[in-house]
Amino acid sequence: EVQLVQSGAEVKKPGESLKISCKGSENSFTTHWIAWVRQMPGKGLEWMGIKYPAESRARYSPSFQGQVTMSADKSINTAYLQWTSLKASDTAMYFCAAGGSHPGIDYWGQGTLVTVSS
Amino acid sequence: SYVLTQPPSVAVSPGQTASISCSGEKLGEKYACWYQQRPGQSPILIIYQDDQRPSGIPERFSGSNSGNTATLTISETQTMDEATYYCQAWDSTTGVFGTGTEVTVL
Repeated sequence: EVQLVQSGAEVKKPGESLKISCKGSENSFTTHWIAWVRQMPGKGLEWMGIKYPAESRARYSPSFQGQVTMSADKSINTAYLQWTSLKASDTAMYFCAAGGSHPGIDYWGQGTLVTVSS
Repeated sequence: SYVLTQPPSVAVSPGQTASISCSGEKLGEKYACWYQQRPGQSPILIIYQDDQRPSGIPERFSGSNSGNTATLTISETQTMDEATYYCQAWDSTTGVFGTGTEVTVL
């Protein structure tokens, strides 16, 4: 079983940068793909992108291409989601998620709430 | 981009059957998954590969997928099944979620 533990809630101002993290159990990122999912307040789930273990770059959903950067450090079993210039519309809960044994998400982090407000 | 459409809400009486649809172009040619999300919690996988249940998911949850529609069926619905349900499929190498259906048990 894979455990995913995400970093804590963040409060930022528009224009600031941010990097949130998702730490997995041992070797989880060498055997599982990692996805990031956004959930805006009161809204549904949105697939942001996915990082496959054998690929160096993440694949982004069209709405998120160029807006965020996903990365991972397999040596410390940690995935990251980062913004260079936050907007108020980035206010949301962000989940990391993992899968690999079948086409579905088996494991979810607890979510990181990002609030962007002036 | 690929779109999956679900009804916004479904109401069901305790002990009755609830059916939730998920529509997308040629969805039957892809694998569909279903997730349950209770308020304030992370989603959990309840159906994968159209009709497979992960370990620990009650048998009253079942799935099917054909044509342009995948369906989640909850038999003998219990109050604990009140939640929002999302379908999910793959568009090439990235995932797509459905719009979500809130199930109310009353």
